[in-house]
Amino acid sequence: ETGVTQTPRHLVMGMTNKKSLKCEQHLGHNAMYWYKQSAKKPLELMFVYSLEERVENNSVPSRFSPECPNSSHLFLHLHTLQPEDSALYLCASSQVRQSESSYEQYFGPGTRLTVT
Amino acid sequence: AQKITQTQPGMFVQEKEAVTLDCTYDTSDPSYGLFWYKQPSSGEMIFLIYQGSYDQQNATEGRYSLNFQKARKSANLVISASQLGDSAMYFCAMSRGGGADGLTFGKGTHLIIQP
Repeated sequence: ETGVTQTPRHLVMGMTNKKSLKCEQHLGHNAMYWYKQSAKKPLELMFVYSLEERVENNSVPSRFSPECPNSSHLFLHLHTLQPEDSALYLCASSQVRQSESSYEQYFGPGTRLTVT
Repeated sequence: AQKITQTQPGMFVQEKEAVTLDCTYDTSDPSYGLFWYKQPSSGEMIFLIYQGSYDQQNATEGRYSLNFQKARKSANLVISASQLGDSAMYFCAMSRGGGADGLTFGKGTHLIIQP
């Protein structure tokens, strides 16, 4: 596997279900991100992890719970979701260096989530 | 707060023509980065090009170039010699300089290349 992978690619769940999205990066990066892409809206940053510590939580409802057990893996645990949570969930990673002014993020293919 | 504005919801361009996708930004940060991503119908976001706020020269990557005008706060993407495979959504994004930081995205431009 190369780059950033996400599983599953598609997920349909009821509002009472509990599921998890998985992201794995094979790039040796030290930061990982979750984004949400809803129809006709810009991508929204949800969470940022740097060196396995959460450094940003962008006012995301508690029904979304991230987990970063190591620098290569990132999970998004879902429970009691609402139909408006249906969206494409994208994971990204980057290599952050103190000397760099900025850095590119590499994205996975996304998980298309439908909440019924 | 940072903001990205893309004013072209959709564009139709003839194959082999050059195309310019507009992007303006707003930020109070002295250091920042500007990015362009391509998103085909498959959904994956593909990194195209990056411009740092202190870079003196415009960034280029193959057929892609970024027309960076700092005083105007614009970062337009230019695609030369467009190809059918260039048909996709294109997103302009920015980040604060340094550290792990999420990107702020624009709403995107849907580019369609016609034969």
